[in-house]
Amino acid sequence: GAVVSQHPSWVICKSGTSVKIECRSLDFQATTMFWYRQFPKQSLMLMATSNEGSKATYEQGVEKDKFLINHASLTLSTLTVTSAHPEDSSFYICSAQWEGTDTQYFGPGTRLTVL
Amino acid sequence: AQSVTQLGSHVSVSEGALVLLRCNYSSSVPPYLFWYVQYPNQGLQLLLKYTTGATLVKGINGFEAEFKKSETSFHLTKPSAHMSDAAEYFCAVSDRSGSEKLVFGKGTKLTVNP
Repeated sequence: GAVVSQHPSWVICKSGTSVKIECRSLDFQATTMFWYRQFPKQSLMLMATSNEGSKATYEQGVEKDKFLINHASLTLSTLTVTSAHPEDSSFYICSAQWEGTDTQYFGPGTRLTVL
Repeated sequence: AQSVTQLGSHVSVSEGALVLLRCNYSSSVPPYLFWYVQYPNQGLQLLLKYTTGATLVKGINGFEAEFKKSETSFHLTKPSAHMSDAAEYFCAVSDRSGSEKLVFGKGTKLTVNP
């Protein structure tokens, strides 16, 4: 149980375009979803926390207008990287948890490459 | 603010040898502590966690960790390494505030030699 999927698993796009990444909880209702960014050979950095039906809470230094997060249902959250640039290239990982639990369950990640 | 320090960015052991991955944390409140494993180009998989109760926690794949409050440590161990254990391991802490934010260490890459 507690499976989280991400789509796509990898994406290559041109500079200036926007890319949407989906995060789905397959077998539970995720009241909270988290988006992380991981640079090569580094740890995960939390970008934002989203609760279903509410605006996402962004961490300090993360541009909310550039990284649009939508958590429209209890099983789906999306991260849209707007006007992507090569420095946005990274591994993006989402996690999800249900209300009352202390554990986050992670998706497999999406590798974004911006040319 | 919370923080996690993982001593040793790379650990190499022989197959069958003891695995010890070190994690120290800093937290102003009693923490929740987690160990996650990440295989190449994949997300994170929960190995084990400590919330309350018994300080020795057993997880999947034969791993265990012990919460030592006096040492602010949560080291991960496995008696006998397998080749399949080769991966990146992350220690993480949350502050029980209800936000459930995780703060991760920088990770330790485990290599298992035949």
